[in-house]
Amino acid sequence: SQKIEQNSEALNIQEGKTATLTCNYTNYSPAYLQWYRQDPGRGPVFLLLIRENEKEKRKERLKVTFDTTLKQSLFHITASQPADSATYLCALGSSASKIIFGSGTRLSIRP
Amino acid sequence: DAGITQSPRHKVTETGTPVTLRCHQTENHRYMYWYRQDPGHGLRLIHYSYGVKDTDKGEVSDGYSVSRSKTEDFLLTLESATSSQTSVYFCAISEGRGRADTQYFGPGTRLTVL
Repeated sequence: SQKIEQNSEALNIQEGKTATLTCNYTNYSPAYLQWYRQDPGRGPVFLLLIRENEKEKRKERLKVTFDTTLKQSLFHITASQPADSATYLCALGSSASKIIFGSGTRLSIRP
Repeated sequence: DAGITQSPRHKVTETGTPVTLRCHQTENHRYMYWYRQDPGHGLRLIHYSYGVKDTDKGEVSDGYSVSRSKTEDFLLTLESATSSQTSVYFCAISEGRGRADTQYFGPGTRLTVL
């Protein structure tokens, strides 16, 4: 069955460092991959999308890589800030209506 | 939250009672979705709609039904609530114009079934 794995343990990073989150998947050939941010008590918010034919995508301090051979995406936050503390969800899609989400990684940035 | 509201935001009910959750959007997006989020499971799709009166099942549809009589409203009904349906429910919308579609989520409804 299709499976998405994200770091189940929380990630604790010192402010100013680069945070790297991992998303691995099996039994799936996604057309695209998305990353969402979720704060406690709120719905997820879209951050970035990367397509199967793209290797890397950047947006301000965020960078996403997508390796379809390794079946892995890495999500980087450079110059991390305490305000970046949240849960980050990886999602894979093959069409507009078929998106599956990982369970998320909780990121904490300490001052 | 991108013009999406959910009601109620919190609800406590008893086993065996029917429950209806409402999602309302002001974005005129074609697709609407209902997810549940539980610790360790992430977001799991219950049902989705690709137009008025057009709906389809998701990964965890047993015990749930949906209806969409207007573009802006998508209702989720638990026909006879069970304790296993205690969860946080999120509605999402998307334009559905291409293969890669961003989803916009509502604020969620926390449902407790006693």
